[in-house]
Amino acid sequence: GAVVSQHPSRVICKSGTSVKIECRSLDFQATTMFWYRQFPKQSLMLMATSNEGSKATYEQGVEKDKFLINHASLTLSTLTVTSAHPEDSSFYICSARDRSDLSSYNSPLHFGNGTRLTVT
Amino acid sequence: AQSVTQLGSHVSVSEGALVLLRCNYSSSVPPYLFWYVQYPNQGLQLLLKYTTGATLVKGINGFEAEFKKSETSFHLTKPSAHMSDAAEYFCAVKGDQGGKLIFGQGTELSVKP
Repeated sequence: GAVVSQHPSRVICKSGTSVKIECRSLDFQATTMFWYRQFPKQSLMLMATSNEGSKATYEQGVEKDKFLINHASLTLSTLTVTSAHPEDSSFYICSARDRSDLSSYNSPLHFGNGTRLTVT
Repeated sequence: AQSVTQLGSHVSVSEGALVLLRCNYSSSVPPYLFWYVQYPNQGLQLLLKYTTGATLVKGINGFEAEFKKSETSFHLTKPSAHMSDAAEYFCAVKGDQGGKLIFGQGTELSVKP
């Protein structure tokens, strides 16, 4: 089955530093990837839609300059949390859609295992 | 616009009992609906989906869901709960822009021995 690898699974960083999270589709190509944020005991909130070779589309209220998204290839998207603060501590999850799936528009997303970010 | 409401943030059942997790949706277009399961500190795994066709959808691990347009519902059921079913369950509807998923607030399922 389609596998999405997210790295790192856990990261602790100091306030003011930047952290990069990688999302890779291992056995398929993904023209579109989605980045979600999840607070404890809460649902997933879509942060942005990442499109290969173009700028990401951010949801309302998400700071573009703080959460930098790069989707340079069909198998890799990265999320960089810049100048992290304790309130950025959260669980970040990426997901991807297989471009070869003919019904991809309505197909399920494949999710990574998430990254637990703790900013001290 | 689309939205999803899951009734009950926490459901507790005994092992072997029926599992019923409720989901209601709102959609201005024919909905495409999904149920995902999340184990602690992990991503989401697809249980089942409804796009078109048969309204009773069977998924993995013995789960199924029925799409009821008249009730705008897509409740998830399993006849007999297992301890391993304890997890967080999310209902989702496909948004009408870019194919993104819109999630409900989640229901935590506990299974008592």
